[in-house]
Amino acid sequence: KQEVTQIPAALSVPEGENLVLNCSFTDSAIYNLQWFRQDPGKGLTSLLLIQSSQREQTSGRLNASLDKSSGRSTLYIAASQPGDSATYLCAVITNSNSGYALNFGKGTSLLVTP
Amino acid sequence: SQTIHQWPATLVQPVGSPLSLECTVEGTSNPNLYWYRQAAGRGLQLLFYSVGIGQISSEVPQNLSASRPQDRQFILSSKKLLLSDSGFYLCAWSEPNYEQYFGPGTRLTVT
Repeated sequence: KQEVTQIPAALSVPEGENLVLNCSFTDSAIYNLQWFRQDPGKGLTSLLLIQSSQREQTSGRLNASLDKSSGRSTLYIAASQPGDSATYLCAVITNSNSGYALNFGKGTSLLVTP
Repeated sequence: SQTIHQWPATLVQPVGSPLSLECTVEGTSNPNLYWYRQAAGRGLQLLFYSVGIGQISSEVPQNLSASRPQDRQFILSSKKLLLSDSGFYLCAWSEPNYEQYFGPGTRLTVT
């Protein structure tokens, strides 16, 4: 069974810092990996999707990498801002997943202080 | 562009009462549809998925059921709610490349 782990569980940084969020998964037979952002009491916003054949994706100040063989992904946030404060979730679709549903980590809660 | 709607946004129901949560998607055809639940202190858990009208699969045994009466409508139901059904319920749809998009969610509190 696919297990997704995110480290750290919580992170507090001053504004302007670059930061890295980590995600690991136990079954490397993934179809794709998706990073989401969740604001308190809200739904999930898709940030980046990495297909299994890709090694990274970039969107603005966000860069996500994927090392499928080692079961790891990182989300890099450059020049962090208070508006980046949210919970960041990593999720994978494993090839054997029914209906191509997502397996989620428990998230990293990020606080960027002014 | 595609949008996904969920209602109600919040719901407080007594134990033993019925439940009906609705999700609709606009701007796409024949999407895969999903119901997830996010409980306090736990990650997001898949409850049901559907690959077409009338086709529902359940991932975990539970007190809930789902139906897909139309291509872009997904309904989550219960005949009698339990305290353990409290949580944040999220509906999602996926594109052909399986990137998933989530609705705004329904906060359910069972008292």
